[in-house]
Order: sequence, then structure tokens, then C-alpha cells
Amino acid sequence: DVKVTQSSRYLVKRTGEKVFLECVQDMDHENMFWYRQDPGLGLRLIYFSYDVKMKEKGDIPEGYSVSREKKERFSLILESASTNQTSMYLCASSPKPYEQYFGPGTRLTVT
Amino acid sequence: GENVEQHPSTLSVQEGDSAVIKCTYSDSASNYFPWYKQELGKRPQLIIDIRSNVGEKKDQRIAVTLNKTAKHFSLHITETQPEDSAVYFCAARDDYKLSFGAGTTVTVRA
Repeated sequence: DVKVTQSSRYLVKRTGEKVFLECVQDMDHENMFWYRQDPGLGLRLIYFSYDVKMKEKGDIPEGYSVSREKKERFSLILESASTNQTSMYLCASSPKPYEQYFGPGTRLTVT
Repeated sequence: GENVEQHPSTLSVQEGDSAVIKCTYSDSASNYFPWYKQELGKRPQLIIDIRSNVGEKKDQRIAVTLNKTAKHFSLHITETQPEDSAVYFCAARDDYKLSFGAGTTVTVRA
């Protein structure tokens, strides 16, 4: 059974803080993704990675960066959190560019 | 890049009736179209998918149809039950990544 875990379910941060969201998968998947989910906007891709140390911008990368030093771990970094980054963040992984398996999500509130 | 539009945004059906959700996509090179179901407070999970060399696929009460010429695909749920209440997302594959529709909130009335 594929397992994708995220470091926190709920997180509250202050404006200007540096925020780290971590995602770990245990199935040796090559591809990993970070999305944010907002009501009425669906799932929007922030960044993705198709190999260790490789990263590609998604549709909304501004204000975010990522790190993938190990195959199983993909981190999303908010360099200076802002209130408009309050959202649900979902990580996903896939063994090939087809089915994606999602983590439980992190609900981030920036005050 | 790929652009996926999904309709309707909300759908209320009587238990036992059918539900249909429609999506259109823009990139004719897209070749994989999954549907995800997200129950309240839970993660999205794949319920059915279709590849571009197939026109229709069924799995018990759910089915997906694909019209490559018109660039649209649809999810059909028959004999709806209360546990079908959820948000449904369609998606289309663009290279390594999926582009998602905005989602449809389905409510099944008892």
C-alpha cells in the first residue's frame, strides 16, 4: 500500500516567517508534486520533481521553492510567508507520469 | 500548458439517480485522464482513469467516456448512494504533470 505522509496536518505561522512543509513517500516513486488547494480553484501545481535534485516550476511557483535531496523526500519552502499563502497544501507522488498518490494535506494559516 | 474546465461546480441528485460531470481540455497531446474523489477532510483518491486510446471505461457504478475529437471527457455515476457525496476532480496529463479541473461538489439527497 502506497504511503505518502506530510509533516503536519495543521500549521499556523506569522507573516514573514520561513515555513518548511515536508513530504515523504515510501514506494520509491520517481515523481513528486506539491499542490495548493483553494475553494473553487481546484488543485494548482506549485512545483514538481521527476528525480533527485531535479525540480520544475508548476503553474504557481511564485513565493515558493522546493528541495529534493533524497528520492523519498520532497520539501516545500515558503521563504517569507504571506497571508495569501494561507491554504491547504497537498503533496503527491507517482511511479510514472500516470496515477498520483496524495498525502493527507497540511492546512497552513498565515496570520 | 494544459487548461482543464469542469462543469458543473455543484451537483445535487436524489439517491438512486445518475450524476454526470463534464470536463474539457485544451492540449490535443494529452493522453491520460484520471478522476479523483475527495471526501470531506480526506485526501483525493483515484477512482477511475482512461487513456487516449480508449473511448469508454466502466468500473461497477462509475464510467468515464472520452471524445478526443471534441477534447472532452465525462464521469458518469449511476444509482447514486449517500457515500458518493464528495468533491470530484477531473485531470488531464501534460508531460509529467496533471492539470486539474476546479472540482464538482456532489451531494446525494436521501
